Amino acid sequence: DIQMTQSPSTLSASVGDRVTITCRASQSISNWLAWYQQKPGKAPKLLIYKASSLETGVPSRFSGSGSETEFTLTISSLQPDDFATYYCLHYNSYSKTFGQGTKVAIK
Amino acid sequence: EVQLVESGGGLVKPGGSLRLSCAASGFSFSFYSLNWVRQAPGKGLEWVSSIGISNNYIYYADSVQGRFTISRDNAKNSLYLQMNSLRAEDTAVYYCARGATSGMSVPFDYWGQGTLVTVSS
Repeated sequence: DIQMTQSPSTLSASVGDRVTITCRASQSISNWLAWYQQKPGKAPKLLIYKASSLETGVPSRFSGSGSETEFTLTISSLQPDDFATYYCLHYNSYSKTFGQGTKVAIK
Repeated sequence: EVQLVESGGGLVKPGGSLRLSCAASGFSFSFYSLNWVRQAPGKGLEWVSSIGISNNYIYYADSVQGRFTISRDNAKNSLYLQMNSLRAEDTAVYYCARGATSGMSVPFDYWGQGTLVTVSS
């Protein structure tokens, strides 16, 4: 099975900071990767799919990049609404695997 | 507006069974793959199972294979998860999530609000 390793597990940042979260796959997954944002007590929200495609309605300060085994989610200028936990997801036809999550906290 | 509403969660003893339901509205249900995802208290997300548009493709995580059964009723716009031989480690919020298209290699674009399953004696 493909393992997804996310880092860091937590990060502290201030409003306006540029934030980068990394997700590494244990083997090549092409670009079958999505990013989600989850706030406490709420369902996850899709931000990015196919590694770099922005979901409709998601602010342009979110971007995704990477392919094969290394991927990043970047928030160009952190906003108060962005403090949350972020997950990567590898999806293929027969199995899906989430990363462990990255909590973005207020510094 | 796309809506997914889970039900059927509750407290069950180890070894017991529970059937979760997910009622969908606001989209052409039979044209989308569907999924169950769970989240243990204070933990991360875990994919549980996926089903194709006409019960043709069905996949499970290793942790639930042989104990859980996913199914759908396109006439009722409903998704189900039959959970048998429940264990304490199955305690989680269970989310119903829509695949972004009819395919299986797609992310989840809409989610329900979840239903809590607690396995405890």
